[in-house]
Amino acid sequence: AAGVIQSPRHLIKEKRETATLKCYPIPRHDTVYWYQQGPGQDPQFLISFYEKMQSDKGSIPDRFSAQQFSDYHSELNMSSLELGDSALYFCASSLELEEKLFFGSGTQLSVL
Amino acid sequence: SQQGEEDPQALSIQEGENATMNCSYKTSINNLQWYRQNSGRGLVHLILIRSNEREKHSGRLRVTLDTSKKSSSLLITASRAADTASYFCATDAGSGGSNYKLTFGKGTLLTVNP
Repeated sequence: AAGVIQSPRHLIKEKRETATLKCYPIPRHDTVYWYQQGPGQDPQFLISFYEKMQSDKGSIPDRFSAQQFSDYHSELNMSSLELGDSALYFCASSLELEEKLFFGSGTQLSVL
Repeated sequence: SQQGEEDPQALSIQEGENATMNCSYKTSINNLQWYRQNSGRGLVHLILIRSNEREKHSGRLRVTLDTSKKSSSLLITASRAADTASYFCATDAGSGGSNYKLTFGKGTLLTVNP
């Protein structure tokens, strides 16, 4: 069965650079979530989209933005990267009326 | 904001033993879910229990929910080395629909020794 696809799997950036993370949800899933997980930490909700509209916002820095496109894939754009942005970034998808989230394998971002 | 807290933070057991992990949360919830995460990998949904349920089973998993104490437990019976992973509880307290989101707890790192 198709799963949530995230790219790239690993990303290394320097401070103050920008990064774009991509997420392709499971086909027919209409909701996408982004989570950030620091080393040894629990996943923190960043932002979610339903039918290409932002549906909820969590602890997402102003330096970050995200959107969901017409094909339902989503991109998380991160600017002015800081060392503290180093983390595993997960995308998850679901159907609106379903409570279970399906997670991708994540993008490991390292900011040097 | 609401957060789940797992207890213990780390648990090491022998294969064949049972593992119990606990989770506490702070506010009213619609449901509570348990997820598993292998090191550096994505989270995998294990089981969901609704606020009006007290116990649920799935294979070797047993989940209990006590809404009066705002706590849940996950029991893994007859553990296997392949059960080694981090286990997170996650709660939803939203209004549902497009506003649905999960808040994760700190996680329990389970190590099952062969």
